[in-house]
Amino acid sequence: DADVTQTPRNRITKTGKRIMLECSQTKGHDRMYWYRQDPGLGLRLIYYSFDVKDINKGEISDGYSVSRQAQAKFSLSLESAIPNQTALYFCATSDLWGSEAFFGQGTRLTVV
Amino acid sequence: GEDVEQSLFLSVREGDSSVINCTYTDSSSTYLYWYKQEPGAGLQLLTYIFSNMDMKQDQRLTVLLNKKDKHLSLRIADTQTGDSAIYFCAESGGSQGNLIFGKGTKLSVKP
Repeated sequence: DADVTQTPRNRITKTGKRIMLECSQTKGHDRMYWYRQDPGLGLRLIYYSFDVKDINKGEISDGYSVSRQAQAKFSLSLESAIPNQTALYFCATSDLWGSEAFFGQGTRLTVV
Repeated sequence: GEDVEQSLFLSVREGDSSVINCTYTDSSSTYLYWYKQEPGAGLQLLTYIFSNMDMKQDQRLTVLLNKKDKHLSLRIADTQTGDSAIYFCAESGGSQGNLIFGKGTKLSVKP
């Protein structure tokens, strides 16, 4: 089984719809992250959480929200999807500050 | 702010060596990483180097770190078609405890 599991793997949604991307991890780590990958732009941090009660905005949080339901679960929501949110989304987890991050397989989201 | 730069494309012939270069700005980074992303897949940690090291070798992979110039390189010996992927350089200098990634270098290996 994968250390970090994301669902769904692919999703097409319409502009204005609310959508949730889910992530669960079996590493037992406290830290979880959501990144967005766009061609030629690398990975940009959307939100991060250091534990269940600690959630913080990353560099591109506008239009997104998150929920840390448990140590192992961290979901990302798009409240009202727009086409420029079409991207590949990655969830990651790490143990210590700045240490190796373990990534999920990614969710490819298309907003039409 | 923190920044990581790498060239976007590299093309080599099968059997040759590949060298992917990266520069970073945060001198306080403790670790520097190389991640590999194959088509349709997530990011896989390839190797990493601690900031007090100059070199790390792991089978076909050699990582060189020039801390003075803030330059990191990944050398892949005897490059194979299966090495075709996007390679991301990352540093552990994120102020939010996250890794800072470069934009990725797409390595194409021609037979």
